[in-house]
Amino acid sequence: QSVLTQPPSVSGAPGQRVTISCTGSSSNIGAGYDVHWYQQLPGTAPKLLIYDNDNRPSGVPDRFSGSKSDTSASLAITGLQAEDEADYYCQSRDNSLSGWRIFGGGTKLTVL
Amino acid sequence: QVQLVESGGTVVQPGGSLRLSCAASGFTFGDYYMSWIRQAPGKGLEWLSYISTSGSTIYYGDSVKGRFTMSRDNAQNSLYLQMDSLTAEDAAVYYCARDRPFNWNYDRFDYWGQGALVTVSS
Repeated sequence: QSVLTQPPSVSGAPGQRVTISCTGSSSNIGAGYDVHWYQQLPGTAPKLLIYDNDNRPSGVPDRFSGSKSDTSASLAITGLQAEDEADYYCQSRDNSLSGWRIFGGGTKLTVL
Repeated sequence: QVQLVESGGTVVQPGGSLRLSCAASGFTFGDYYMSWIRQAPGKGLEWLSYISTSGSTIYYGDSVKGRFTMSRDNAQNSLYLQMDSLTAEDAAVYYCARDRPFNWNYDRFDYWGQGALVTVSS
C-alpha cells in the first residue's frame, strides 16, 4: 500500500489529453512538500519527467505538465503519442518518516 | 554527462548476502546525497535508503532497516548497498539514483542508473 495513491491505469487515443492523479495527505503533499513525476518506458530505468510540481527538465516536451493543490497533484499529457505509453510514478517526501522519500504506486498509460 | 552504473546483481540463496555497487561519473560525486530504490518484478518503485555527502547521515526504509547497509567512497566515486538476510521479497531490480546536492534541500532523483537485478532463490 503506497503512501501516495495513483490510479492503476489510464488510457487515451493519440492526440487526446490524459491526466494522472496522485493523492497524498497532510504529512506529505499537504505539508507543502514538492511532487515529482517519473516516466518509466518498458524495460528501462525511470526518468525524471516533472520536478517541483510543475517544472520540466531540459528535453522534456511541453506536452507534459504538472500541478499541485492541497493534498494532491496531477500530471497532464496533451497531444498523446504512442511513445508516451509507459508507467508514471509520482514521488514526494513525508514528514512522519525522517528522511523518507515516498512513491505512488504507479499508473500504466495505454495509448489506444 | 552524468552516469550511474550499478553492478553486483546476481542470484543469491534465501538468507544470503550480497553487495551492490554503483559507479558514478560526470559530476562531483561527493557533492550529492545518493539513494537506493528498488522495483520488484511487475511492481512499483520503493525507496530504500539515502546517504548524505559525507556518509554521516543514512536513512533506511522500514522494509530494509537492520538488514541493509548503505555506504559510499567519495574518493572512488562509488556507492554501495550491503544486503544481508535476503528473502524472496527482496528480489528486485535495484537502482542507485542521484539525490539532493549538499547545498540545496530538495528530494527528487534527477539521474538513475540502469539497475542491477537481484534474484533470491534456492
